[in-house]
Amino acid sequence: GAVVSQHPSRVICKSGTSVKIECRSLDFQATTMFWYRQFPKQSLMLMATSNEGSKATYEQGVEKDKFLINHASLTLSTLTVTSAHPEDSSFYICSAPGTSGGRGETQYFGPGTRLLVL
Amino acid sequence: AQKVTQAQTEISVVEKEDVTLDCVYETRDTTYYLFWYKQPPSGELVFLIRRNSFDEQNEISGRYSWNFQKSTSSFNFTITASQVVDSAVYFCALPSSGAGSYQLTFGKGTKLSVIP
Repeated sequence: GAVVSQHPSRVICKSGTSVKIECRSLDFQATTMFWYRQFPKQSLMLMATSNEGSKATYEQGVEKDKFLINHASLTLSTLTVTSAHPEDSSFYICSAPGTSGGRGETQYFGPGTRLLVL
Repeated sequence: AQKVTQAQTEISVVEKEDVTLDCVYETRDTTYYLFWYKQPPSGELVFLIRRNSFDEQNEISGRYSWNFQKSTSSFNFTITASQVVDSAVYFCALPSSGAGSYQLTFGKGTKLSVIP
């Protein structure tokens, strides 16, 4: 199956700093990637849809100025948490659909990034 | 809007027991897909199965089997002869409807603990 990587896997930062998380599709191209957030013992909640060559689409309640998304190429999307605060501490996971991108296409998930803001 | 309900929050079984994880969904789409993912303690999501709404045949993959009942909007997952390595959170998911990107709507997940 397709492989999606994320970097870093874990990050601890001080409140007020910015953190960049990378999501890469290793063996396929992804014009669309999705960013999810998962708080402890909760489900995955979609934050935004990252589109190659255009602006990201954010879900209701997600601050686009705080969570900057850049889909620079067909294999890379980045999520930058700006001025991070303790309430941003969470598990961030990206995904990319397989080749067809259709509704039935399997989503392949990265291993996730655990963010802890002190 | 799509909705996925996994009523079982946590389940504990003793190793070698069979266990069924329930998933009930809501959609207005006439055709749709359903997914199951496994999330072990490491956090990564592992794809288990994709099912097309056209195909109501049950599917078996080793110790895993899935029972899709369109009439009751359920897509239940059974693990036979459970093992400790099966301990994880299991999510049922449904892609969004309409045109555009097809992000997944997840259920709240069922945490399965298999006790040796």
